[in-house]
Amino acid sequence: DVKVTQSSRYLVKRTGEKVFLECVQDMDHENMFWYRQDPGLGLRLIYFSYDVKMKEKGDIPEGYSVSREKKERFSLILESASTNQTSMYLCASSPGQRNSPLHFGNGTRLTVT
Amino acid sequence: KNQVEQSPQSLIILEGKNCTLQCNYTVSPFSNLRWYKQDTGRGPVSLTIMTFSENTKSNGRYTATLDADTKQSSLHITASQLSDSASYICVVSRQAGTALIFGKGTTLSVSS
Repeated sequence: DVKVTQSSRYLVKRTGEKVFLECVQDMDHENMFWYRQDPGLGLRLIYFSYDVKMKEKGDIPEGYSVSREKKERFSLILESASTNQTSMYLCASSPGQRNSPLHFGNGTRLTVT
Repeated sequence: KNQVEQSPQSLIILEGKNCTLQCNYTVSPFSNLRWYKQDTGRGPVSLTIMTFSENTKSNGRYTATLDADTKQSSLHITASQLSDSASYICVVSRQAGTALIFGKGTTLSVSS
């Protein structure tokens, strides 16, 4: 079974702090994704990566950056956290085939105060 | 505009009853349609994926249908159980790149 592990379930940070969210998958998947999920808005794509050291902007990349130095690890970075980045963050991975499902982690609930 | 609309927004049913969730989309060009189940506090889990040529797909008590002509899909849950209480998310994939268009989900509550 594919396992996507997010390093923290809950995180509380202060405005202006630099925040790192880590995600690791154990199935050698090419694709990795970061989403945020907010009530009434559904899931929105922040960034994704097709391969090591490759990254593509999603629908809402502003205020975020990512890093993929190893195939199994995809990090989301909030350079200077703001209160409007309080949200549930979901990492996902998938193999390269088009009709393959996404495998999600259980999310990190980030609160920025 | 590429959109996925789900209805109803929420639903309450008694244990043992059947229910049907709806998904309408305007995504083009279409590649596939996915249904995910998301338990509270967990990440979404894939239930089914259907391509253009498939009009029915089952996963246990879950049966998804797809009408690519009318751009509608439904998820039918048979003999509901308390564990079916969750949010059900419809996702449509475009042919270009990895663009996935997410619906806002239907929240299902199954009561005893």
